Amino acid sequence: GEDVEQSLFLSVREGDSSVINCTYTDSSSTYLYWYKQEPGAGLQLLTYIFSNMDMKQDQRLTVLLNKKDKHLSLRIADTQTGDSAIYFCAESVTGNQFYFGTGTSLTVIP
Amino acid sequence: NAGVTQTPKFQVLKTGQSMTLQCAQDMNHEYMSWYRQDPGMGLRLIHYSVGAGITDQGEVPNGYNVSRSTTEDFPLRLLSAAPSQTSVYFCASSSQTYEQYFGPGTRLTVT
Repeated sequence: GEDVEQSLFLSVREGDSSVINCTYTDSSSTYLYWYKQEPGAGLQLLTYIFSNMDMKQDQRLTVLLNKKDKHLSLRIADTQTGDSAIYFCAESVTGNQFYFGTGTSLTVIP
Repeated sequence: NAGVTQTPKFQVLKTGQSMTLQCAQDMNHEYMSWYRQDPGMGLRLIHYSVGAGITDQGEVPNGYNVSRSTTEDFPLRLLSAAPSQTSVYFCASSSQTYEQYFGPGTRLTVT
């Protein structure tokens, strides 16, 4: 499969911004995704970006894509304790095979 | 809409037993997939289907079979369970817009 890499852990204080990073290897990736997984639950699609875009903003979430460096980031503004979860980066070329990173566990400190 | 449903939520099997994990979606999605989630390894694709009657292998297909007789259902069969198949299994479906929706997962333990 394709390599999608993320750091395993991130801690931030409540109210600060969180930035979760991801790198991928397949330059033909068409769609790049961010998912959130809360304990004992399935994955929830947060947002996605097409490869022809540099940035996408959705309320507190900002996704940045650097195609040259194959780097994707998710910024969460004003991070809340309810944002504590595991965040997965994923990529897809065809839209029916998805490759996931190992997930970043975000801990928000009150 | 129930979305993507999976049964059972939890299952314990003995080595060598077989079982079927059920997955159903009511969103009329063409694409359905099965993943397993293991600690520190993210999600790995087992099998996927692009429509009724069409299935293909993902990254880790060995020991698993699938079929897709209807658009709604995509069962995953474990032929002869092994301890290495202890994992959390997720089913997902996606539409032409490539937004993938996940079920709640099945936690399987093989002893």
